[in-house]
Amino acid sequence: DAGVIQSPRHEVTEMGQEVTLRCKPISGHDYLFWYRQTMMRGLELLIYFNNNVPIDDSGMPEDRFSAKMPNASFSTLKIQPSEPRDSAVYFCASSFLRGDTDTQYFGPGTRLTVL
Amino acid sequence: QKEVEQNSGPLSVPEGAIASLNCTYSDRGSQSFFWYRQYSGKSPELIMFIYSNGDKEDGRFTAQLNKASQYVSLLIRDSQPSDSATYLCAVIKNTDKLIFGTGTRLQVFP
Repeated sequence: DAGVIQSPRHEVTEMGQEVTLRCKPISGHDYLFWYRQTMMRGLELLIYFNNNVPIDDSGMPEDRFSAKMPNASFSTLKIQPSEPRDSAVYFCASSFLRGDTDTQYFGPGTRLTVL
Repeated sequence: QKEVEQNSGPLSVPEGAIASLNCTYSDRGSQSFFWYRQYSGKSPELIMFIYSNGDKEDGRFTAQLNKASQYVSLLIRDSQPSDSATYLCAVIKNTDKLIFGTGTRLQVFP
């Protein structure tokens, strides 16, 4: 398997623009997670899905952020409008939760810079 | 108080020594505990998990859990320069989501 795939790998945009990040989870995994990582705050969970249904979006910073998972093989994280403080690395991860172990496999991340 | 706390480091150890990385957590309901390694510019990758009190060994790595003290540690024996990375501690409570610490940067020098 190719692992979790994210695109784009790097995104530079100007404040106020819409940004869409994409993720393809590992086939057969039924959980998908979106994280944001910054030096100051570390790795923060934004939202996660189970079987394409959003379960917990309490980490989404504000209404400018939205996420969708239209099918088992694709998810998007959208920021509209973007702001400089959104600059971070955004990771997507997927897992197949069995029992109380949860091996999450992370994608390579999207480095977002908002000017 | 943060849910998962780690010393940011850097922790510097000589090659061949034992590196000891520590993590404390605030919620006694935490059930499972994970150690991820993240090389600079890369994504986190799972090293090991533990959910029972005591030690769990996997090669050069040993995870130790003490639920009474709300403490989990990772020991790396015979440290190598290739072990230089940031080590992230994470816990699961009664939901499906991982709560990560901010990580400890480990430097192994030759």
